[in-house]
Amino acid sequence: EAGVTQFPSHSVIEKGQTVTLRCDPISGHDNLYWYRRVMGKEIKFLLHFVKESKQDESGMPNNRFLAERTGGTYSTLKVQPAELEDSGVYFCASSQRNEQYFGPGTRLTVT
Amino acid sequence: AQSVTQPDIHITVSEGASLELRCNYSYGATPYLFWYVQSPGQGLQLLLKYFSGDTLVQGIKGFEAEFKRSQSSFNLRKPSVHWSDAAEYFCAVGGYNKLIFGAGTRLAVHP
Repeated sequence: EAGVTQFPSHSVIEKGQTVTLRCDPISGHDNLYWYRRVMGKEIKFLLHFVKESKQDESGMPNNRFLAERTGGTYSTLKVQPAELEDSGVYFCASSQRNEQYFGPGTRLTVT
Repeated sequence: AQSVTQPDIHITVSEGASLELRCNYSYGATPYLFWYVQSPGQGLQLLLKYFSGDTLVQGIKGFEAEFKRSQSSFNLRKPSVHWSDAAEYFCAVGGYNKLIFGAGTRLAVHP
């Protein structure tokens, strides 16, 4: 069974540009989560999808971040426009119940 | 407020020595507790989890953890550390909705 996959693994963009991160959950998992770890800080929750619906987006830092989950399958997280403080590792996780499985993360560097 | 504290940022042990990584949590309800490990260049891998029942739980790679409700702790242990255990370890609380992570403990193993 394939695990959670994320693309790209690493992205370097300039301040003001747009970046879109993609996450493919484990097949059959209705729950999809996004987390972020800024350098030296804790891994922080961003949002939670149940199928295609946003269950909880309380962790989204501001309206420059937009998450979608098309048809309840893969998800994208768009940052527009990117700021320096958005640099970090973005993790995606999926679950069927209470156990979350994480992808390898996307390292975003904003210069 | 819900939180997880990992008091040790860095720990160094000799190969073959025993290991204990500390985790304390603050959570309003009965917690679901997790330990994840992130090896260099890898994503987060679930080591073990506690939902209910026996307070001593066994995980992968020879790790175990003990839930102590009176101390709000969920410490991770291993009787004999291997060089391949060098990684960053994260304690987390939560479950279906979202996980709250500690800051992580980076483990170095001396030969």
